[in-house]
Amino acid sequence: DAMVIQNPRYQVTQFGKPVTLSCSQTLNHNVMYWYQQKSSQAPKLLFHYYDKDFNNEADTPDNFQSRRPNTSFCFLDIRSPGLGDAAMYLCATSRDQGTGSEPQHFGDGTRLSIL
Amino acid sequence: GQNIDQPTEMTATEGAIVQINCTYQTSGFNGLFWYQQHAGEAPTFLSYNVLDGLEEKGRFSSFLSRSKGYSYLLLKELQMKDSASYLCASMDSNYQLIWGAGTKLIIKP
Repeated sequence: DAMVIQNPRYQVTQFGKPVTLSCSQTLNHNVMYWYQQKSSQAPKLLFHYYDKDFNNEADTPDNFQSRRPNTSFCFLDIRSPGLGDAAMYLCATSRDQGTGSEPQHFGDGTRLSIL
Repeated sequence: GQNIDQPTEMTATEGAIVQINCTYQTSGFNGLFWYQQHAGEAPTFLSYNVLDGLEEKGRFSSFLSRSKGYSYLLLKELQMKDSASYLCASMDSNYQLIWGAGTKLIIKP
């Protein structure tokens, strides 16, 4: 089945130790998104790629970086995780942008814990 | 500013009907989405409305009034598996989703 896959499902890292979360998709969608979601809060968009075009949200901390080496893969790098970065990180894709009816398809998320 | 309001929590009984309301204020409007999110899992797409009126999909229906900036999700014949959070999201003029914090729906037997 075509899908969005995130690895790992659970990630534990130490305060200040860099961590990378990965996302892959078999949907061949042009757009990939990274969201941060804390308990009982709305998903917060960190950045998105339209193909190779990177779009950073204005309030995304510099501590968060992303890479999209090809259509299928996208990575989220947290350079120096702080306690406030503990959250669920959601990867999503959509076929296109600028098409209102196009839903976003989510992976199962990576729950990040900081020790 | 951009804002989505929905109740934090609702409780309903198995077999009953529940309506979850959402009001939105966004810069431009390109449609309203509803997603279901079970605890610890990713959101899954439920419905999309861009025109006024009711869209029905089995036990779930979604309504939109653009003039009022208002939508609701109607769930019929509630089942225990419907216990989840329901997120309302409005698509703005840049085709970005502005998300609500979700309504946690608790189903009691």
